[in-house]
Amino acid sequence: GAGVSQSPRYKVAKRGQDVALRCDPISGHVSLFWYQQALGQGPEFLTYFQNEAQLDKSGLPSDRFFAERPEGSVSTLKIQRTQQEDSAVYLCASRTGTNANTQYFGPGTRLTVL
Amino acid sequence: DAKTTQPPSMDCAEGRAANLPCNHSTISGNEYVYWYRQIHSQGPQYIIHGLKNNETNEMASLIITEDRKSSTLILPHATLRDTAVYYCIVRSTGNQFYFGTGTSLTVIP
Repeated sequence: GAGVSQSPRYKVAKRGQDVALRCDPISGHVSLFWYQQALGQGPEFLTYFQNEAQLDKSGLPSDRFFAERPEGSVSTLKIQRTQQEDSAVYLCASRTGTNANTQYFGPGTRLTVL
Repeated sequence: DAKTTQPPSMDCAEGRAANLPCNHSTISGNEYVYWYRQIHSQGPQYIIHGLKNNETNEMASLIITEDRKSSTLILPHATLRDTAVYYCIVRSTGNQFYFGTGTSLTVIP
């Protein structure tokens, strides 16, 4: 079946622009996660949704980062007024439910801020 | 969640077993050991997980010591396509994964 998909795969933005990154989780998966991966580092947690509720946003680095999942399926990560330090790969993952552990990851969106 | 320690890099000859170690000395009783790998420019791929018993699936085997303070991921017959960064993650029933920097495995022809 279809896995987690993300779009766009690559995004180049000028400093100060707003960007929106999309995640389509595996159908029926209740939980959705966003991670940020800097070059040469492991992924770092940003935020977590259970259905449409954002239950944990402790990893969002600043108030320029905003995530939503209004209908409990597709999620969008928005970054306002992008800065060069926002350049990274943004990964989305989903899992079946709140008690399940295994997360399934998408291919990521590589964001480059010039 | 318990922290993990992995060697930064390892080499393995093609066709031989790759044994990737992970230390997790502060693991608690309800924390699982997970292994993921990340091939260049792809998202992390689930490999295997376990609590205290050894586990095997079509990709790998996971050996967890009796005291659960360390584990080893075994790829029985490494191929060039197994070249990747391997992450050992220890977590409870919480939500986020803490990845660390992993082990970069290079399979040599």
